[in-house]
Amino acid sequence: SYELTQPPSVSVSPGQTARITCSGDALPRQYAYWYQQKPGQAPVLVIYKDSERPSGIPERFSGSSSKTTVTLTISGVQAEDEADYYCQSTDSSGSYWVFGGGTKLTVL
Amino acid sequence: EVQLVQSGAEVKKPGESLRISCKGSGYNFTTYWINWVRQMPGKGLEWMGSIDPSDSHANYSPSLQGHVTISSDKSISTASLQWTSLKASDTALYYCARQGRTTLGMDVWGQGTTVIVSS
Repeated sequence: SYELTQPPSVSVSPGQTARITCSGDALPRQYAYWYQQKPGQAPVLVIYKDSERPSGIPERFSGSSSKTTVTLTISGVQAEDEADYYCQSTDSSGSYWVFGGGTKLTVL
Repeated sequence: EVQLVQSGAEVKKPGESLRISCKGSGYNFTTYWINWVRQMPGKGLEWMGSIDPSDSHANYSPSLQGHVTISSDKSISTASLQWTSLKASDTALYYCARQGRTTLGMDVWGQGTTVIVSS
């Protein structure tokens, strides 16, 4: 089955830049999506189609793609950004969705 | 306001059946796919399947197909996830989520339904 690989954890100090990667063989051909999930809350879509930002999501959130890796970048990290982040995409045929294992972002 | 409201928490025994629901409001329910996402205790998100409410066509995760059934009733703007024989490993938090027509991401989420399966 298709898998998306994320680092389990990333730590940054407030005001610095956090980068969370997601790797998968089909990513050159399929869009990626990113979700933020805070404890006890439902996930929130923060990036869609690799690099687009939904309305209401702060500009410090951005996404990029290069070959088999997509990256969520949070510039000027704030304490409120501490959360779990999940990437999502489809298998190469677009038949089913897959989530990455999630990355816990800690703001030191 | 666009929202998805899910049914309440359930406590069941292994082997029992269960249906949980997800009611959409504030938008045309038939024009957006609904996805079901599982989150086992302390674990990540897992896509289970999705349904097109306009014709009830459903897709399933290869790892879960056959164990759950996803359905919808457009007359009451409600999607459902059901089991005929629960296992302890079905203990989890279940979310429904709308798939955006422009974003194609899951742009509106329900509040989640906790299911506990224990003897």
